[in-house]
Amino acid sequence: AQSVTQLGSHVSVSEGALVLLRCNYSSSVPPYLFWYVQYPNQGLQLLLKYTSAATLVKGINGFEAEFKKSETSFHLTKPSAHMSDAAEYFCAVRRGDSSYKLIFGSGTRLLVRP
Amino acid sequence: SQTIHQWPATLVQPVGSPLSLECTVEGTSNPNLYWYRQAAGRGLQLLFYSVGIGQISSEVPQNLSASRPQDRQFILSSKKLLLSDSGFYLCAWSPQGNTEAFFGQGTRLTVV
Repeated sequence: AQSVTQLGSHVSVSEGALVLLRCNYSSSVPPYLFWYVQYPNQGLQLLLKYTSAATLVKGINGFEAEFKKSETSFHLTKPSAHMSDAAEYFCAVRRGDSSYKLIFGSGTRLLVRP
Repeated sequence: SQTIHQWPATLVQPVGSPLSLECTVEGTSNPNLYWYRQAAGRGLQLLFYSVGIGQISSEVPQNLSASRPQDRQFILSSKKLLLSDSGFYLCAWSPQGNTEAFFGQGTRLTVV
């Protein structure tokens, strides 16, 4: 079975600082991996996805993530945080063998200090 | 383009009352459909998914059920709500194949 672990339920950074949100996955087959963002009382919006092409994936709003098979990780980064980045971020995994199940981590709330 | 509609946006229901949340997708055919629940301070829990009309897979035994009466319609129901059913319910769809899911705006359910 596949699973996702997000380290840190809350991350606080200063505006302009590096954002690093951690995600480790477990999957018995090569996975597809996703990062989503959720603003209060809204649905989830896709930031980026890894589908076995390039290991460094660029997404919207300046975010990117790197797939590292040896570390079973898919950490999300952004060089410079903006106040508008404050939200909850979810990592998700889907098995790459036609499985239909999309499994989410517990989420990380990003706080951006002025 | 494809769109997903989920309603109502908020709902307050007494314990023991029935529940029906509806989700519809437009602009695509034969989508995979999902119901997730997000409890306060917790991640997204997959409740049900469906790969076709009348095909429902349940992930967590509970007080809820799901149905897919039409290709692009997914309904979450309960005969008698419990306090523990409170939460934020999200419907999502994905095209056939291994791609991402697209989410509705969610329904905030409060059981009182």
